[in-house]
Amino acid sequence: DAKTTQPTSMDCAEGRAANLPCNHSTISGNEYVYWYRQIHSQGPQYIIHGLKNNETNEMASLIITEDRKSSTLILPHATLRDTAVYYCIVSMDSSYKLIFGSGTRLLVRP
Amino acid sequence: DGGITQSPKYLFRKEGQNVTLSCEQNLNHDAMYWYRQDPGQGLRLIYYSQIVNDFQKGDIAEGYSVSREKKESFPLTVTSAQKNPTAFYLCASSMPGQGQETQYFGPGTRLLVL
Repeated sequence: DAKTTQPTSMDCAEGRAANLPCNHSTISGNEYVYWYRQIHSQGPQYIIHGLKNNETNEMASLIITEDRKSSTLILPHATLRDTAVYYCIVSMDSSYKLIFGSGTRLLVRP
Repeated sequence: DGGITQSPKYLFRKEGQNVTLSCEQNLNHDAMYWYRQDPGQGLRLIYYSQIVNDFQKGDIAEGYSVSREKKESFPLTVTSAQKNPTAFYLCASSMPGQGQETQYFGPGTRLLVL
């Protein structure tokens, strides 16, 4: 079973920030939080990951709470091409197994 | 360009027939994976291989078989024992290490049973 809980769907306006929450209350100290997204009928795409500290790259920012029980993926300026299913995954080692739940379906509106 | 290729994009299988899905990577990754995705669902792990000539069953290996004779290739055979093979199949690769490596996915193969 997936170790994370995400809302089924969300929407945001193009150009605005999209904030996608994820609960992972049973995360252990050596587990990372990963985010992937899947655009319709394509393979998943890695976005970002983190352990404790907030992380930022060219695609997104990841905010992890101090107790590590939840996190938020931020797409700072959402575009129509960001419409996808976003998966939040916790894993000790991504080279072993990624457990994908149902994810959050993000719709970016024009 | 480096990446993962899967072929074919669409594959049709007749009842009782074995079919093989191709997955090739030129990323020099040691680990490769096969996932299955059903409509509206997340991905489920079928098989994975962390090194050439070695592989392990994932969560739903029944009715599938794999081989890993070369580092860059990890073909998946869907056998006639798999009673519900219609799904989207995704191959991935990664370079195992200290827990911070990520998996890179191919474009997928959609298998349909006639």
